[in-house]
Amino acid sequence: GAGVSQSPSNKVTEKGKDVELRCDPISGHTALYWYRQSLGQGLEFLIYFQGNSAPDKSGLPSDRFSAERTGGSVSTLTIQRTQQEDSAVYLCASSLSAGSSGNTIYFGEGSWLTVV
Amino acid sequence: GESVGLHLPTLSVQEGDNSIINCAYSNSASDYFIWYKQESGKGPQFIIDIRSNMDKRQGQRVTVLLNKTVKHLSLQIAATQPGDSAVYFCAEKGGGFKTIFGAGTRLFVKA
Repeated sequence: GAGVSQSPSNKVTEKGKDVELRCDPISGHTALYWYRQSLGQGLEFLIYFQGNSAPDKSGLPSDRFSAERTGGSVSTLTIQRTQQEDSAVYLCASSLSAGSSGNTIYFGEGSWLTVV
Repeated sequence: GESVGLHLPTLSVQEGDNSIINCAYSNSASDYFIWYKQESGKGPQFIIDIRSNMDKRQGQRVTVLLNKTVKHLSLQIAATQPGDSAVYFCAEKGGGFKTIFGAGTRLFVKA
């Protein structure tokens, strides 16, 4: 697609429920990233995928968070047993690759998650 | 996880004035730097980038300055307009995959 596409754009869920957030990166981009942004704050790295390599999950805040990327394209971020502190904007980004320093990452519009 | 979660500093400027947003980066090995603009309710958008072999790069109404000696990056916006009101993030990349973002600065433009 023309840009990074995320869905849903907004999600309200009850505490304890599981949620899935979807990201469709820019066509041809092999690197995909998930970031989290709490209200009025900066960007927190969560996880990174590059091609068929094992993902870097070093930023995931707990084992309730997981992500997968199928076929090297679409990615799903899953949050199990959601807590109120999970409320944030979840931003997906992609880049051509991560091997070169110069590959800028491009962001989607984010999925706004509210846990009530 | 890696956190850049701080309450955002704010810069308020008069419409038509020049704005300077500053950023201190952390990794002396970083060799690529980017500025992003994030408007309310949207994802960050790429503005301008600079490689470490340069000190200055100009775009349309924006200039990025890099001082590697003190690990400092700045974004200058000429003739600031109300549409420039947003949060601005600097980011650094050091040859690996991870793009590390600064805490962000909120720019208010007064009409």
